[in-house]
Amino acid sequence: VQLVESGGELVQPGGSLRLSCVASGFTFSSYWMHWVRQAPGKGLVWVSRLNSDGRIITYAESVKGRFTISRDNAKNTLYLQMDSLRAEDTAVYYCVRSVEGYLDVWGRGTTVTVSS
Amino acid sequence: QSVLTQPPSASGTPGQMVTISCSGNSSNIGNDYVYWYQQLPGTAPKLLIYRNNQRPSGVPDRFSGSKSGASASLAISGLRSEDEADYYCAGWDDSLSGWVFGGGTKLTVL
Repeated sequence: VQLVESGGELVQPGGSLRLSCVASGFTFSSYWMHWVRQAPGKGLVWVSRLNSDGRIITYAESVKGRFTISRDNAKNTLYLQMDSLRAEDTAVYYCVRSVEGYLDVWGRGTTVTVSS
Repeated sequence: QSVLTQPPSASGTPGQMVTISCSGNSSNIGNDYVYWYQQLPGTAPKLLIYRNNQRPSGVPDRFSGSKSGASASLAISGLRSEDEADYYCAGWDDSLSGWVFGGGTKLTVL
């Protein structure tokens, strides 16, 4: 079971970025998926989730209206489209699988830096 | 300010037992399960305890979890140097409709 994130980079405030997470070793299309972030030296903060077919989606208030989570089950890939980025969005973003309602498998993360 | 409250630090010597507390409310762990994650330096979090007191396969039985009401604890017995890490409690919050975490407890093995 493996989750590999990519797409993180340095971006200017107000810019956009799309993160990807490729899953392997399990039936991706059967699981809810989440994004969790961690600012430098800080704790874990849940960002968003979506169900197995992508129809049920929830966001943290801090990103609602700016971030969009989606998935392509044919490609075993989870996405996070991030628009109107702010300095406070700077963090390592983790892709996380959930099983039976809890977060069980985490990717290694991808680093997003928002700075001019 | 995290929704779940943990002490920022804890410490112990090799072989000792250490406990880390986590406090929430009726919107989260008070009426649902608590989970614990271990984050070794420079790595991603790893599930340590699920559904209050269950250990995933591969997690040593030195790690145990308990919950009473809206408070939970993680106990680590027979402390080892490799246990030095950040520990996070977590749970689902019904009022926020999202996962919430504690601020993390940095465990130092002296």
